[in-house]
Order: sequence, then C-alpha cells, then structure tokens
Amino acid sequence: KQEVTQIPAALSVPEGENLVLNCSFTDSAIYNLQWFRQDPGKGLTSLLLIQSSQREQTSGRLNASLDKSSGRSTLYIAASQPGDSATYLCAVRPRGSGGGADGLTFGKGTHLIIQP
Amino acid sequence: GAVVSQHPSWVICKSGTSVKIECRSLDFQATTMFWYRQFPKQSLMLMATSNEGSKATYEQGVEKDKFLINHASLTLSTLTVTSAHPEDSSFYICSARRDRAYLDFSYEQYFGPGTRLTVT
Repeated sequence: KQEVTQIPAALSVPEGENLVLNCSFTDSAIYNLQWFRQDPGKGLTSLLLIQSSQREQTSGRLNASLDKSSGRSTLYIAASQPGDSATYLCAVRPRGSGGGADGLTFGKGTHLIIQP
Repeated sequence: GAVVSQHPSWVICKSGTSVKIECRSLDFQATTMFWYRQFPKQSLMLMATSNEGSKATYEQGVEKDKFLINHASLTLSTLTVTSAHPEDSSFYICSARRDRAYLDFSYEQYFGPGTRLTVT
C-alpha cells in the first residue's frame, strides 16, 4: 500500500528565506506527483504537477523535483513571503489495480509559517 | 480554467439525519470524480471514486450504504451521508478529473473548496 510522508510536519522561517519541503513515497509505481497548498478551513490549490517521466516543474518562485526511483520529491520555495503561510500537501497517483482513474494518496502535509 | 464547486460550504445537522453534498465541475466535463474526507490535523483520505452512469467504487473501510454517491451527469456528483453521527463530522472535499480526448493516464484532478459537516 502506498504511503506518503512529509517532512518536516511544521516549519517557521523569517520572510525572505529560501526553503525546501520534503515528500517521500514508498512505492515508485506512480503516474504523477502533485503539490498542493491548503489554507486553514479551505480546499486545495494545486501548485505543481510532475508526471512520472519528468524530473521537475517550475512555477514562479516554486520549483518541485521528482526522483521516482528513490521515492522522493522536494518543493523549493524561493524568497518566501508571509502570504506563503499555509499547509503544503504532497500527493501521488499510484499505478494500481484501479486502472486509469484512481484517486490520490496524500501526505499529512507541512504546516508552514513565514514570519514577517 | 477548471473550476469545481461544492455546496453547501458548511452544514450542521442533527444526529440521525441525512445530508447531501453536491460537487460540480463548472466549466468542464468530468466522467470521474473523487470524494475525500479530512479529519482535523490529518491528511485527505480517499473515500470513493464516482463514475458517471455507474456505481461508485468505495475504498476499504468506507461504508457504501452510509455514504451514498450518485454521479447523474458529467458535471455533478452528490455524496449523501445517511443517518449521520457525530463521528461523521469532518471536512469533505471532492475533486474532478477533466475528460480528455485522448487516452492518457497522467491527468490532473481539480479540487472543490470543501464542505464542513458538523453533526450534533
């Protein structure tokens, strides 16, 4: 059974710092990996999606990498801002018995606080 | 864009009653939608996969008779929590997979804003 782990569980840094969030998954048989942002009491905002054949994706100050063979992904946030404060979730779409329409397996998230 | 809405955004109901939550894809068709549940400080857990025109597929441990799913059109899936109990109080989030013209297993799910259910 696929398991997704995110480290650290919580992180607090001063504004302006660059930071890295880590995600690991136990089964490398995945279609893709996705990073989300969740604000308190809200739904999910998709940040980046990396297909299994890709190594990284970039969007603005965000860069996500994927090493499928080792079961790892990182989300790099450059020049952090207070508005980046949120919970960041990593999720994989496993290649499994469900064929082409399985749901995602999520990690528990990293709660990020950017201090002004 | 790819917008998914949920209604209601929050609901409070009494124990023993049923509650229906709607999930709509506003600007795209979605043959497949997913229902997730999130307890406080926990991650999202997939409950079931909803397929238009067919029965939903439930994850292990999810009672299909308690969580009724109906995917009656290409833009609407509903989740009904029957005979709700306080332990059903949670944040329910749906997602929709945009139908594509080609066969591609690498797709993106678009998430709704969630529904906060509180059972008293």
